Amino acid sequence: QQPVQSPQAVILREGEDAVINCSSSKALYSVHWYRQKHGEAPVFLMILLKGGEQKGHEKISASFNEKKQQSSLYLTASQLSYSGTYFCGTERGSSSYKLIFGSGTRLLVRP
Amino acid sequence: GAGVSQTPSNKVTEKGKYVELRCDPISGHTALYWYRQSLGQGPEFLIYFQGTGAADDSGLPNDRFFAVRPEGSVSTLKIQRTERGDSAVYLCASSRGQGEGVFFGQGTRLTVV
Repeated sequence: QQPVQSPQAVILREGEDAVINCSSSKALYSVHWYRQKHGEAPVFLMILLKGGEQKGHEKISASFNEKKQQSSLYLTASQLSYSGTYFCGTERGSSSYKLIFGSGTRLLVRP
Repeated sequence: GAGVSQTPSNKVTEKGKYVELRCDPISGHTALYWYRQSLGQGPEFLIYFQGTGAADDSGLPNDRFFAVRPEGSVSTLKIQRTERGDSAVYLCASSRGQGEGVFFGQGTRLTVV
């Protein structure tokens, strides 16, 4: 039931791009993306509700392929501040709207 | 309030004791979630409230854990007969409802010694 994230860890140079993937074995109602820095709470980035939906937030965007039950988070021209652990969370909808998180992708952006 | 507020921020208790963790959600948010997070892991779902009722408590690990939200706002997570394995950061979050962004509090770090 827990979504699977890949890769587990990424190291980038400032200005490089990265893609983080999230997949589920079950049909999804929504996908949420969060970033968590060490010792802090997860911070909401965006939510995707519709199949094929894409959203953007500054240089961070995401897509949701409802048929494949997959979502991807795109980080372009990465900045030092992007470092942290990224989590996807999924809602299956139907009888339950509980939000279940993946195990996270650790991103380190170096100067 | 402006954000989700959790108290206390830190709690150290002895094995076997009872603890209560409090969460004050964002004003107007009807959905409230409890998670716990261990070092290096993602948030683990415990329970989800829609209004006053527990819509899904399937994540509570055993009957030592219980949560209430009597007036549809503040929630309390209660842990009886604490064990060392209960040590973790307990996160509370709230949202406007289904398909809406979920916003987290700063968490309560529980240490059972």
